[in-house]
Amino acid sequence: QQPVQSPQAVILREGEDAVINCSSSKALYSVHWYRQKHGEAPVFLMILLKGGEQKGHDKISASFNEKKQQSSLYLTASQLSYSGTYFCGTEVSGTYKYIFGTGTRLKVLA
Amino acid sequence: ETGVTQSPTHLIKTRGQQVTLRCSSQSGHNTVSWYQQALGQGPQFIFQYYREEENGRGNFPPRFSGLQFPNYSSELNVNALELDDSALYLCASSLGDSNTGELFFGEGSRLTVL
Repeated sequence: QQPVQSPQAVILREGEDAVINCSSSKALYSVHWYRQKHGEAPVFLMILLKGGEQKGHDKISASFNEKKQQSSLYLTASQLSYSGTYFCGTEVSGTYKYIFGTGTRLKVLA
Repeated sequence: ETGVTQSPTHLIKTRGQQVTLRCSSQSGHNTVSWYQQALGQGPQFIFQYYREEENGRGNFPPRFSGLQFPNYSSELNVNALELDDSALYLCASSLGDSNTGELFFGEGSRLTVL
């Protein structure tokens, strides 16, 4: 039931792009994205509420394909500060239970 | 605006003991949820409180219990501690009873069970 993220880990050089995918076996009605740096709490990046919605700020954007039950996070021209573990999250439909995806560890090298 | 604060930040207990963790929600937020994050894993949803009522629960046994107070602060209680309960416990606050809003996380309470 936990959304599966891919890749599990990725290493980039500064300035490179990355895509993180989040796929669910259950219907998704909203998707959150969070970044968690080592030893810190998760920090909200963005929420997508409608199928097909795309959002972005700075050089991080995301898309949500409700039909395919998946969301993707796009990191453009990555910076050292992008390093961390990225989680997608969603509410289990019809409940108030919240679940996080399996996580993607991203490391940006200088 | 005060963020989400948790206490204590670190604690060590022995197997069989009981622990209470505390969380003050962000100003204006009426929903608090709790998560267990084992080392190297993602956060696992324990339960959520909205206006002092539990309205959602994950796959955790009854020895994990909670409270939300009229000021929307919250407690997580764990009885009969087991070694596997060692983890970072995160509290998050949000506005409204659904999970479509942003979750604001505290820095967590790191529990070690010996």
